[in-house]
Parts: sequence; C-alpha cells; structure tokens
Amino acid sequence: DQQVKQNSPSLSVQEGRISILNCDYTNSMFDYFLWYKKYPAEGPTFLISISSIKDKNEDGRFTVFLNKSAKHLSLHIVPSQPGDSAVYFCAASTYSGAGSYQLTFGKGTKLSVIP
Amino acid sequence: KAGVTQTPRYLIKTRGQQVTLSCSPISGHRSVSWYQQTPGQGLQFLFEYFSETQRNKGNFPGRFSGRQFSNSRSEMNVSTLELGDSALYLCASSLSPQPSNQPQHFGDGTRLSIL
Repeated sequence: DQQVKQNSPSLSVQEGRISILNCDYTNSMFDYFLWYKKYPAEGPTFLISISSIKDKNEDGRFTVFLNKSAKHLSLHIVPSQPGDSAVYFCAASTYSGAGSYQLTFGKGTKLSVIP
Repeated sequence: KAGVTQTPRYLIKTRGQQVTLSCSPISGHRSVSWYQQTPGQGLQFLFEYFSETQRNKGNFPGRFSGRQFSNSRSEMNVSTLELGDSALYLCASSLSPQPSNQPQHFGDGTRLSIL
C-alpha cells in the first residue's frame, strides 16, 4: 500500500515556464512534508518543506502548497531552469514512537527543463 | 563541513554472499537512517539508529540488519544476498530525528549489484 504517491513519473517543461510537481498521500497522521531533489549518481538533497499546519511555504523560486483536506501537495518552480532537471521526491513524516520519526517517500518525478 | 560519506560506492556480489555497507554521518549528527532505492520504487525505509540504538525498522526481512557505533558511524549488513537486493543503498543523517527540526542529509549511496 503506497502511502505517498507521485503519479507522474516524468515532466517536461520549457525553460522560464512554471514546473508543477504533484504528490498525494493517504495517511492522515503525516504531519510534515518535504521535497528532495536527486541528480544522477548523487544522494537526494533537501529542497523545501512544509508543516501540516500551514498551506504554503516559499523559498526563492520554490513554493510548496499543501491542501490537507485533499491530502495533496504540490511543488512549484518558477521560473524553471535547465539546472532544475532532476528527479524530485516527495516525502512525508510521521512519529513512529520511541523518539523516532519515519519518512515515507514517493517514487519520484523526473523533471526535464528544456532550454 | 564534510557530508555523509558512504563506502564503498559500488559493489558487486553473487547470490548467497553477504555484504556490509558503511556510513559516516556528518560530524555531530547522531541520527542515522538507511534506505533502499530500486528502479521505480522510490526510497524504502530500512531502519533508523540513534545513540547506538535501533529505534525503528522498515518492512524488510531479517536478512537486513544494522548497527551504530559510539562515534555515530553506522553499518548495514545483508546476508544471503538475493538478486532482488540489487539497489542503491542510501544513508542519511541528522542532528535530530525530527525532520521539522532538521531535514536529513543524504550520502551518495552504495550501488550494490547481485550477479
């Protein structure tokens, strides 16, 4: 049972336009959400996050929106740049007891920004 | 500041063998988590260690085990390797286990291939 879903395996966007990456989740116990970016042959790097008590968080060109009632979040990149081409993972956090928090990841969306 | 270091970067084994992977977290980080990434499956949580104690374990068979040393370095071991164990194994560390305090920092992974 996949608790975090990224239904689009890939996305192509023209340079300068907006990229929108989507993520859906099923577990209402998730209380914190993160986006990671991964280049080939490198580990994921943290991009932006949002708490479940907020509906928007912005950091430069990156904005994450959370719709708790729909259990949906999205990452907006404006304007998109060729260097943004990477695989983007959505992750959700929940407390799993004994002081431990577990991240559940989606399968990722490969973003290609075309110059 | 050095990042998360994983060794080796690449490893080739045959079915039935065992393997040990190593992870050196960022200095001062006490929480270490391990993930398995296979094509099309995203990152699957293996286990999390904090102060030498395993506090959480994902849904993997007992062939997958790990430990953490007093200097926070961690190892994971896979015994009786199967073809399906071929994957990228990622280690992540953080100061605090709570993602809202500090997101996890990932290493570049160990690519394990089983022949």
